[in-house]
Amino acid sequence: GESVGLHLPTLSVQEGDNSIINCAYSNSASDYFIWYKQESGKGPQFIIDIRSNMDKRQGQRVTVLLNKTVKHLSLQIAATQPGDSAVYFCAEMGGGGSQGNLIFGKGTKLSVKP
Amino acid sequence: ETGVTQTPRHLVMGMTNKKSLKCEQHLGHNAMYWYKQSAKKPLELMFVYSLEERVENNSVPSRFSPECPNSSHLFLHLHTLQPEDSALYLCASSQAPGSNYGYTFGSGTRLTVV
Repeated sequence: GESVGLHLPTLSVQEGDNSIINCAYSNSASDYFIWYKQESGKGPQFIIDIRSNMDKRQGQRVTVLLNKTVKHLSLQIAATQPGDSAVYFCAEMGGGGSQGNLIFGKGTKLSVKP
Repeated sequence: ETGVTQTPRHLVMGMTNKKSLKCEQHLGHNAMYWYKQSAKKPLELMFVYSLEERVENNSVPSRFSPECPNSSHLFLHLHTLQPEDSALYLCASSQAPGSNYGYTFGSGTRLTVV
């Protein structure tokens, strides 16, 4: 069935280092992907998105990479800061029975050590 | 604030109570959603509304009853809930169902059923 999951439930990095959060998806028909950040006590906040006709997209300190061949999505955060500590979710949309709805993975908790 | 406001932020209710969650969006979006977020589980889509009409109900128990009186407001009426219904309930909106511009989430209502 369709699923969006993450390789690691937790990730701990040193402040200033780069972080890489990974996500695997199973629906090859998905054509739109989003990364969300959820801080404690808040709802998910949009970080960056990418469409299936692209393999890389950059934002401010963040980069999303999409590898459609292996159905893999990653979020790279440069110079990680304490304020980046949160749970990060990938989500996919498009195709199949989930068309029109976002399907979320379980999330990776990022902890930044000072 | 993201433009999607949820009230109350916290709610404790007994299994025989009736309560309602409220969501309001000020973004001019035409689609609104209810999601349930339980510990260690992906976000689960509960209901989708487009232009005040319910377009999807993901097999949610009848003790959850949504209402969308207009495109800016969404309610979730709760009655005779079970302890396993304790979770964070998130409201989201988007320009349209399946809108490939992501969803904007509120901060959620933390519900505890005792």
